[in-house]
Amino acid sequence: SAVISQKPSRDICQRGTSLTIQCQVDSQVTMMFWYRQQPGQSLTLIATANQGSEATYESGFVIDKFPISRPNLTFSTLTVSNMSPEDSSIYLCSVVTGGAEAFFGQGTRLTVV
Amino acid sequence: SQQGEEDPQALSIQEGENATMNCSYKTSINNLQWYRQNSGRGLVHLILIRSNEREKHSGRLRVTLDTSKKSSSLLITASRAADTASYFCATQRGAQKLVFGQGTRLTINP
Repeated sequence: SAVISQKPSRDICQRGTSLTIQCQVDSQVTMMFWYRQQPGQSLTLIATANQGSEATYESGFVIDKFPISRPNLTFSTLTVSNMSPEDSSIYLCSVVTGGAEAFFGQGTRLTVV
Repeated sequence: SQQGEEDPQALSIQEGENATMNCSYKTSINNLQWYRQNSGRGLVHLILIRSNEREKHSGRLRVTLDTSKKSSSLLITASRAADTASYFCATQRGAQKLVFGQGTRLTINP
C-alpha cells in the first residue's frame, strides 16, 4: 500500500494566477499520476510523472499550462498556470503499487474566481 | 478519452437493499478495478478483478467481469448509509495507467 499526503486540500484563487499542488508518498514509486476531476465528472488523466525525465502529458493537456516536477521518487508537484474559472476542479495525485491497485491523495479542490 | 461507461449514473435505494452498478469498456484490458469516492475526496480502492477472472468477492462486495461483453458489475449487498458515495470503475491495460468510467452516484436512504 501507499499513503499520499496532498496539499493544499482546497484553495480559492484569482484568475490569471498559478497554484502549485504537492504530493508526498510514503514510499518510493516509479510513476506518479495527476488527474483532474471537473465538477460532477469522472477523473481525467493529466500526465504521468517519472523521476528524472519530463512528464508525459495526455491529449488535451500541455506542459505550459500544467508544469510538473518530479525531483525524487517520493515527491511531485503539479502547477496550474494562468488560471481561469474553467480550471475549477478537484486535482488528484495517484500512485500504483505492485499489486496494480492505485492509491490517491485526498485531492485539492480548486476554485478560480 | 474515457473508456468506461457506467450505469446507472445515479441510484437511490433503501438501507438494507442491494445495489448493482454496471460498467462497460471498449478495449482489451489487463484488469478492471472499482473505486469509491466520498464527497469529492480521494478515491479508495475497493476490488480488482483480472481479465482471466469472472467473479470476485470482498466482504459485501461482489464483482463480475465478462470480457466477451466488455462489461463488469459491482454488487453491494445489505447496503448501509455509509455506502453513500460515488463509485467508479477503472480499466488498466498496461504501464499502470488507469482509465476511469463516468461513475455512479449511490445514495442509501435510512
